[in-house]
Amino acid sequence: GENVEQHPSTLSVQEGDSAVIKCTYSDSASNYFPWYKQELGKRPQLIIDIRSNVGEKKDQRIAVTLNKTAKHFSLHITETQPEDSAVYFCAAPPSGKLIFGQGTTLQVKP
Amino acid sequence: GAVVSQHPSWVICKSGTSVKIECRSLDFQATTMFWYRQFPKQSLMLMATSNEGSKATYEQGVEKDKFLINHASLTLSTLTVTSAHPEDSSFYICSANPTGRNIQYFGAGTRLSVL
Repeated sequence: GENVEQHPSTLSVQEGDSAVIKCTYSDSASNYFPWYKQELGKRPQLIIDIRSNVGEKKDQRIAVTLNKTAKHFSLHITETQPEDSAVYFCAAPPSGKLIFGQGTTLQVKP
Repeated sequence: GAVVSQHPSWVICKSGTSVKIECRSLDFQATTMFWYRQFPKQSLMLMATSNEGSKATYEQGVEKDKFLINHASLTLSTLTVTSAHPEDSSFYICSANPTGRNIQYFGAGTRLSVL
């Protein structure tokens, strides 16, 4: 089955710096790659997603890049702000269900 | 936007009792819903795929007789934790796909504490 690996598990940056989180997946049939942000005790919120027919997608300070050949995709957050502090999860959907990465705890220091 | 409602948000029960959690898609139909379990500081682990009008598909290692899933309509799936024990204490989250779309929308989660 699908296996999703996410790194790093924790990431601490200064406000204004950039943050990059990387994921690899195993199932070459996966064609949709969402990223979720989860604050403590709350539901995961979809922040950006990318489909396999594009290599990059950007939404304001957030971007996602996809390398299908290497089976990895990355989340890029620029100009980080304290409110970006949360746990971020990547996911890959074999057959419609989502398999999540292990999560990255991002801390943005003011 | 798509809204998924999950109830209750928090439940405490005695060991040995059963607890039912509801997941509703409020403004869309969902042929498929998903149930996840999340332990503190861990990722979301898929427990089962709930299919409207048919049996749920359970992930490896999840006991189908302990975690009963019913998906009786296109807007409602329920998860019943039977004979709950303290080790079942966790955060349970459902999600739903609008029919024909890949995107999953999540419920707010249910924190279960078994005493």
